[in-house]
Amino acid sequence: QKEVEQNSGPLSVPEGAIASLNCTYSDRVSQSFFWYRQYSGKSPELIMSIYSNGDKEDGRFTAQLNKASQYVSLLIRDSQPSDSATYLCAVATPGNTPLVFGKGTRLSVIA
Amino acid sequence: DTAVSQTPKYLVTQMGNDKSIKCEQNLGHDTMYWYKQDSKKFLKIMFSYNNKELIINETVPNRFSPKSPDKAHLNLHINSLELGDSAVYFCASSQDRVLAELRETQYFGPGTRLLVL
Repeated sequence: QKEVEQNSGPLSVPEGAIASLNCTYSDRVSQSFFWYRQYSGKSPELIMSIYSNGDKEDGRFTAQLNKASQYVSLLIRDSQPSDSATYLCAVATPGNTPLVFGKGTRLSVIA
Repeated sequence: DTAVSQTPKYLVTQMGNDKSIKCEQNLGHDTMYWYKQDSKKFLKIMFSYNNKELIINETVPNRFSPKSPDKAHLNLHINSLELGDSAVYFCASSQDRVLAELRETQYFGPGTRLLVL
């Protein structure tokens, strides 16, 4: 069974700090990796995608992928209170399958 | 303007009733999905359609019946509602069903908050 694991949190960081969110996945053939942000009462919103080993930066967000360790992470630099949300890691595997989601990590950025 | 839309946004109903949720996407995508998100925020896939054809049918009670009249619409009908059906139901769409190979992802609608009393 394909699984995506995340710490549920809450992860509390002070404003301006770096928030580090982690995700591991069980299926070695997974090829695409996504981070979604979900504010309370809202729908998941795609914020980052990564397909190759290494780092991918987009503004204050950096996604990191290590396929050998089956590990994906999301770094949020200069964290703001508006970053407080649940972050969902999602993984795509080859074939006719939907994304597999982790249970999400709740991030709280304290002003 | 909305890419993936759902109606209604909120649904409060009594146990035993039958209700429907509608979803429409204007992205030109071929594949649509229904997810259930419980109180612990876990997103669980229920169904997926590709060009009106059912391609994924997870272990869901047969009180739940999806229908896709065309590739831009996916509806969910629920018979004999139970307390445990209370959740947020999200519709999503993607360009194609083979997400990994094409580096595609899914885009979510705003959700329908269902409360069964």
